[in-house]
Amino acid sequence: GQSLEQPSEVTAVEGAIVQINCTYQTSGFYGLSWYQQHDGGAPTFLSYNALDGLEETGRFSSFLSRSDSYGYLLLQELQMKDSASYFCAVNTGFQKLVFGTGTRLLVSP
Amino acid sequence: DVKVTQSSRYLVKRTGEKVFLECVQDMDHENMFWYRQDPGLGLRLIYFSYDVKMKEKGDIPEGYSVSREKKERFSLILESASTNQTSMYLCASTFGNYNEQFFGPGTRLTVL
Repeated sequence: GQSLEQPSEVTAVEGAIVQINCTYQTSGFYGLSWYQQHDGGAPTFLSYNALDGLEETGRFSSFLSRSDSYGYLLLQELQMKDSASYFCAVNTGFQKLVFGTGTRLLVSP
Repeated sequence: DVKVTQSSRYLVKRTGEKVFLECVQDMDHENMFWYRQDPGLGLRLIYFSYDVKMKEKGDIPEGYSVSREKKERFSLILESASTNQTSMYLCASTFGNYNEQFFGPGTRLTVL
């Protein structure tokens, strides 16, 4: 089967740094994506890693280790608006995505 | 801006009804996808399409079918709705090998 594991919930305070981990086991792997979804909203794309290493986009960074089947999303200088659900997703080929179950991030003042 | 629209935000249907969910994108994307989202299960791929009149089964196609007669429109069909199809349905699109999928606002379907 295919599975992606991520923590169900993470809490942090404004200004802090938080890391959301994702381990995957899939039949194919072309890359790891991260999506953000606010309550009632549509998922929006954050990042994509096809190769090992760290990708940085502003306050957000994403890391991939293909040998460990592991990646993480790092959020720095947390803001209240970052409270949302975060999903990792594996591209198993032809842009077909398998999603994790999501991590709910709660940022408090 | 890419825009993906879905025909309804909320829909209530009765068991056994035939249900059509419509998705339209305005960016000439080749690839379109239908997902359902349930609490604790994340997003699961139902069907996808790489081009007009093409369709491929995703991970949970049972009880669903799709239609893509025009490039911009991808329809999800529930031939005979059942209560276990109560869910949030999300449509997405992308072009070529682009890694970002663009999602519509979703349709929350309740089957009574």
